Amino acid sequence: DTEVTQTPKHLVMGMTNKKSLKCEQHMGHRAMYWYKQKAKKPPELMFVYSYEKLSINESVPSRFSPECPNSSLLNLHLHALQPEDSALYLCASSQQTGTPYGYTFGSGTRLTVV
Amino acid sequence: AQRVTQPEKLLSVFKGAPVELKCNYSYSGSPELFWYVQYSRQRLQLLLRHISRESIKGFTADLNKGETSFHLKKPFAQEEDSAMYYCALSSSGSARQLTFGSGTQLTVLP
Repeated sequence: DTEVTQTPKHLVMGMTNKKSLKCEQHMGHRAMYWYKQKAKKPPELMFVYSYEKLSINESVPSRFSPECPNSSLLNLHLHALQPEDSALYLCASSQQTGTPYGYTFGSGTRLTVV
Repeated sequence: AQRVTQPEKLLSVFKGAPVELKCNYSYSGSPELFWYVQYSRQRLQLLLRHISRESIKGFTADLNKGETSFHLKKPFAQEEDSAMYYCALSSSGSARQLTFGSGTQLTVLP
C-alpha cells in the first residue's frame, strides 16, 4: 500500500459544529503532516507529528486540534470554525530517518464552513 | 529559515517547445529538493527528487548549489503537461518539514 487515504473527501459544516478529518497510511512512515491549501495557492504547513508526537505547530488556531492515535492514523478535530477556514486539507506522510523518497500526499478533504 | 521562490506564476509554451520552470531556494543546511505536480482536481504527486537524479515524463531537474537553484526542464512540452508545478524543500534533522514555493501554472498550447 503506497497511498495516504483521507476521509471524508468533502465536508460542509456550520460554525458551531464539531467534526473530524481522518488520515491513514500503511507505508511505515513515522512522520505525518497536516497542510491547508487555498485555491491556486501552495499547501501551508499546519502540524507535524514525528513518532506519534507533535513536533511542529505552525501557530495554528486552537479551533484546529490534531491527534495521532498510532503510527498509521492522524486526525484533525475541528470546532467552531470560521468561513475563512474553508479550504482543502491535505494529509501527508514521509520517512523520518534516512533520505526521504518524498512526501506522499492524500487527495485531501475539501472543507466548506457555512 | 527555509524559503522557496518560484518567480513565474504563469507560464505558457507551445506544444513541442522547450520549457523551464524556475526555482530558487534558501536554506542554511543541506537541502533536499523536490518537484510536485498537481493536475486539475487531482492530488499532489511527486514528480522528481534531486537525490535520485531521475527523469520522469521527460522532465529533469539539476540542483545547482552555487546558484541555489533547482529548475525543472523538459525539451519538448506536451499538452498533458499543463498543470500546477510546485518546487519544494525539505528540512533535514529530527523535525522534517516540506516547504513549498508559490507554484507555477504551466499551460501548453496546441
